[in-house]
Amino acid sequence: GAVVSQHPSWVICKSGTSVKIECRSLDFQATTMFWYRQFPKQSLMLMATSNEGSKATYEQGVEKDKFLINHASLTLSTLTVTSAHPEDSSFYICSAREPVQDNSPLHFGNGTRLTVT
Amino acid sequence: SQKIEQNSEALNIQEGKTATLTCNYTNYSPAYLQWYRQDPGRGPVFLLLIRENEKEKRKERLKVTFDTTLKQSLFHITASQPADSATYLCALLGGGYNKLIFGAGTRLAVHP
Repeated sequence: GAVVSQHPSWVICKSGTSVKIECRSLDFQATTMFWYRQFPKQSLMLMATSNEGSKATYEQGVEKDKFLINHASLTLSTLTVTSAHPEDSSFYICSAREPVQDNSPLHFGNGTRLTVT
Repeated sequence: SQKIEQNSEALNIQEGKTATLTCNYTNYSPAYLQWYRQDPGRGPVFLLLIRENEKEKRKERLKVTFDTTLKQSLFHITASQPADSATYLCALLGGGYNKLIFGAGTRLAVHP
């Protein structure tokens, strides 16, 4: 089945530094990828929709200059958390949908646990 | 406002029993609804999709119902096993760009 690979699985960084998270679709092409954020015992909150070859679409309240998204190829999207602060510590998960139908299920990566100290 | 509500309290059941989880939504008119399983520290895994014109969908020990009048979906696991212990999320299409919006999930614990 379709596989989405996310890297790294965890990262610890110092406040003020930037962290890049990669999301790859391994056996299908994804024109659209989605980035979610999840706090403990809470739901996945959609942060942005990453579109191959064009600008990402951010959800209300998500700072586009802080969470930089690049979708340069049909199999890779990256999320860069710039100038990270402790409140950015969270579980970040990417997902992609095989370009078959709009109601196709999402395939998720295994997430990245970000801890900002 | 739009809401997707799942019981936030954990559901504890005995092995072999049927687990029933509820997903209610408000101010959505979804053409379909999806259920996912999430284990701690992992990304969600797709389980089932049910369309608005389907009353019921089954897959092995899983069964999903969809009542568009009640705006509710029920997720059943029959003959539950400890390995079924996880958080179960419902999701539906919300807004443009084919965005999938998730409920907060219900944690299921199946005890031997």
